[in-house]
Amino acid sequence: QQQVKQSPQSLIVQKGGISIINCAYENTAFDYFPWYQQFPGKGPALLIAIRPDVSEKKEGRFTISFNKSAKQFSLHIMDSQPGDSATYFCAASPGGANNLFFGTGTRLTVIP
Amino acid sequence: GAGVSQSPSNKVTEKGKDVELRCDPISGHTALYWYRQSLGQGLEFLIYFQGNSAPDKSGLPSDRFSAERTGGSVSTLTIQRTQQEDSAVYLCASSDRDRGARQPQHFGDGTRLSIL
Repeated sequence: QQQVKQSPQSLIVQKGGISIINCAYENTAFDYFPWYQQFPGKGPALLIAIRPDVSEKKEGRFTISFNKSAKQFSLHIMDSQPGDSATYFCAASPGGANNLFFGTGTRLTVIP
Repeated sequence: GAGVSQSPSNKVTEKGKDVELRCDPISGHTALYWYRQSLGQGLEFLIYFQGNSAPDKSGLPSDRFSAERTGGSVSTLTIQRTQQEDSAVYLCASSDRDRGARQPQHFGDGTRLSIL
């Protein structure tokens, strides 16, 4: 079963707009939540990550919001640009685990 | 520096044949991971190697799948008697796990495997 549920499956945003991608999980042992960005034909690349001891982390135009009680986290892309068009994956990992559990991905298209 | 390198980038083979996929991790990275990415799905964990420890094979979907890592560096994922459902992109990642369990995983560009 999917340990991390991601939505929406696809997203179209105007240039300059805000892109929001949501993820939810059930396993309370998860303690590390990274987001990966993947361009066609390339492997995923780490974008930003958060631990559950903070509710928000910002790096440039990218912000992770984390709601521990709701077991949800989201990626906000401010001032979205055409170059941000890619597939975004959320992921989660429990303490000491050897692997990441990935969401099913969101294909973002930013139109000029 | 050089990133994670995977070969071949594309592989087309007939059902029932065996295939070998290769991964060269980033030099010095002790941890190596294999994932499978099927169309419309997220990445599915297959196997994990860390140093000289026994690998974590908990994600391998069947006994047709195996992997080895020689000398703590290069890894080979082998799929025997391939089936059409094995068609996917196989991704390798490495991390500097000696610096902690939360070090970023660096991915290669994958091998796109197509089973006819």
